[in-house]
Amino acid sequence: DAKTTQPPSMDCAEGRAANLPCNHSTISGNEYVYWYRQIHSQGPQYIIHGLKNNETNEMASLIITEDRKSSTLILPHATLRDTAVYYCIVSPDGSSNTGKLIFGQGTTLQVKP
Amino acid sequence: GAGVSQSPSNKVTEKGKDVELRCDPISGHTALYWYRQSLGQGLEFLIYFQGNSAPDKSGLPSDRFSAERTGGSVSTLTIQRTQQEDSAVYLCASSLTAGPSYEQYFGPGTRLTVT
Repeated sequence: DAKTTQPPSMDCAEGRAANLPCNHSTISGNEYVYWYRQIHSQGPQYIIHGLKNNETNEMASLIITEDRKSSTLILPHATLRDTAVYYCIVSPDGSSNTGKLIFGQGTTLQVKP
Repeated sequence: GAGVSQSPSNKVTEKGKDVELRCDPISGHTALYWYRQSLGQGLEFLIYFQGNSAPDKSGLPSDRFSAERTGGSVSTLTIQRTQQEDSAVYLCASSLTAGPSYEQYFGPGTRLTVT
């Protein structure tokens, strides 16, 4: 079972910031928080990941709370092309070090004009 | 550079036939993963390769499913005696090596339809 909880859907106005929350209250010390997204009919796309510190790249920012029990993915200026299902994943899964990803249901983000 | 490629992009087969799905990972990536995505189950892990070895096959749903990887590169997922419940999109991903701090790059998938 996925170790994360996300809202099933969210809307965002084009040009505004999209803030996608994720709860991972059972996360352990060696587990990373990953975000992937899947645009309709495409394979999942890596966005960003982090362990303890906040992270930023050209796509998004990841804010992880100090207790690491939740995080927020921020798309600073959402465009229509950001409409997708966003998956928050905790990895590794248990004691495995294979890097396999356990996907939940994700959040469907709809960016509206 | 080239990403992960998969072939065929679409496959329609009759129940009971065998199918082979191919994955070409990114050059130099030692870890390779197979997932499948079906309407009722979402995205689920099938098998993981490190080099040519498969240390984790825990997601293969039955013994009709098998996979191999040769030369540390191309991988083939074989489904024998296909059933209608095997209909899904089969996705392959690769990463530089295995581990939680390495992102995975996904291919476009193979859509399998069993009639």
